Amino acid sequence: GESVGLHLPTLSVQEGDNSIINCAYSNSASDYFIWYKQESGKGPQFIIDIRSNMDKRQGQRVTVLLNKTVKHLSLQIAATQPGDSAVYFCADGRTGGGNKLTFGTGTQLKVEL
Amino acid sequence: NAGVTQTPKFRILKIGQSMTLQCTQDMNHNYMYWYRQDPGMGLKLIYYSVGAGITDKGEVPNGYNVSRSTTEDFPLRLELAAPSQTSVYFCASSGPGLAGAPSYEQYFGPGTRLTVT
Repeated sequence: GESVGLHLPTLSVQEGDNSIINCAYSNSASDYFIWYKQESGKGPQFIIDIRSNMDKRQGQRVTVLLNKTVKHLSLQIAATQPGDSAVYFCADGRTGGGNKLTFGTGTQLKVEL
Repeated sequence: NAGVTQTPKFRILKIGQSMTLQCTQDMNHNYMYWYRQDPGMGLKLIYYSVGAGITDKGEVPNGYNVSRSTTEDFPLRLELAAPSQTSVYFCASSGPGLAGAPSYEQYFGPGTRLTVT
């Protein structure tokens, strides 16, 4: 079936460096993509989304890039901080039909001091 | 607003027991969802609802039931609990794009950690 997957299970970065978390998706019919952050023992928290008609979107310290040609999504975190340590999930979905999301397995981001 | 609340936070069940996981949202969202998250994995959709009185199966519905009698509440029922249902359960909701937020943005509760032994 369709799935959303991540390339790396764990990513370690030095505090202050930029982080890049990658995601591959397979459903070419998806029209939006979302990145969630999940801290230990908590529910996922929305970070940023991007529609399929866009290739880049920026937020506060975060940028999401979408490459529909190769079905690839990435999340860039600028000046990574200890508070960024968490598991990051990408998810994709289609508008309508309950706006269901398909989640990837997640990438653990560890920020080293 | 409290957002999405879930009770209980933790529960241990014996095989064959039943229980209901409670979920309430105070954002007047039409859409609500139940997910399970196994260790080191992503979230799998169990059931979802697009409004009061309307529910539908997700990816992994077997062993679960839901109801949606009000906009605010979306309880998940486990009948005849099995060890395979040991997981963390998350409830989420989404709704109209208030203040410019997309309607597909899902807000999650803190989760219920369930162990079946």
